[in-house]
Amino acid sequence: QQPVQSPQAVILREGEDAVINCSSSKALYSVHWYRQKHGEAPVFLMILLKGGEQKGHEKISASFNEKKQQSSLYLTASQLSYSGTYFCGTEPASGSRLTFGEGTQLTVNP
Amino acid sequence: SQTIHQWPATLVQPVGSPLSLECTVEGTSNPNLYWYRQAAGRGLQLLFYSVGIGQISSEVPQNLSASRPQDRQFILSSKKLLLSDSGFYLCAWSVGGATDTQYFGPGTRLTVL
Repeated sequence: QQPVQSPQAVILREGEDAVINCSSSKALYSVHWYRQKHGEAPVFLMILLKGGEQKGHEKISASFNEKKQQSSLYLTASQLSYSGTYFCGTEPASGSRLTFGEGTQLTVNP
Repeated sequence: SQTIHQWPATLVQPVGSPLSLECTVEGTSNPNLYWYRQAAGRGLQLLFYSVGIGQISSEVPQNLSASRPQDRQFILSSKKLLLSDSGFYLCAWSVGGATDTQYFGPGTRLTVL
């Protein structure tokens, strides 16, 4: 079942922070985060495994709350290069393929 | 290191014409391979996936088909294109195992007129 992402879209000024959420109705084994720039393919950012871990990539970090079946992506002091659509992908604990959310469009303006 | 190629990058085809999109992966053996379609401004729709040569699973019934004639080659085909087949087609690979982290190719933008 497809995870639900929120918000659908967010507009920031350079230097502002943002949070993107991803939630699933199923117990999860892992959550993946990808970023897709306009006209390009999605690029893998990071994976979070069950256990409530937190990870970081540049000034982008993420957390995974296994009990709530939720993950959040934190973008700190956003840069123009952060603009794009962010997708979460979830792997269920029962073992299956990655399923992607509908994406969150992030726009960072000067 | 692993590399994934797709071609063509862009394609404009008339309704009713056939389609063949090709994807190849270098630098890995026995990858899982995937075909996705993305409509403008939308998410990633999984069309087909393959865990080995000749093994294809279809996620969405439609007029598309997929084949895997070689370990690192994945082909998406259609005998007769529809207007609704327009979109951005992405091939992806993963190593399988503990997690299904997927890596995407550059994509093919298909416009059916």
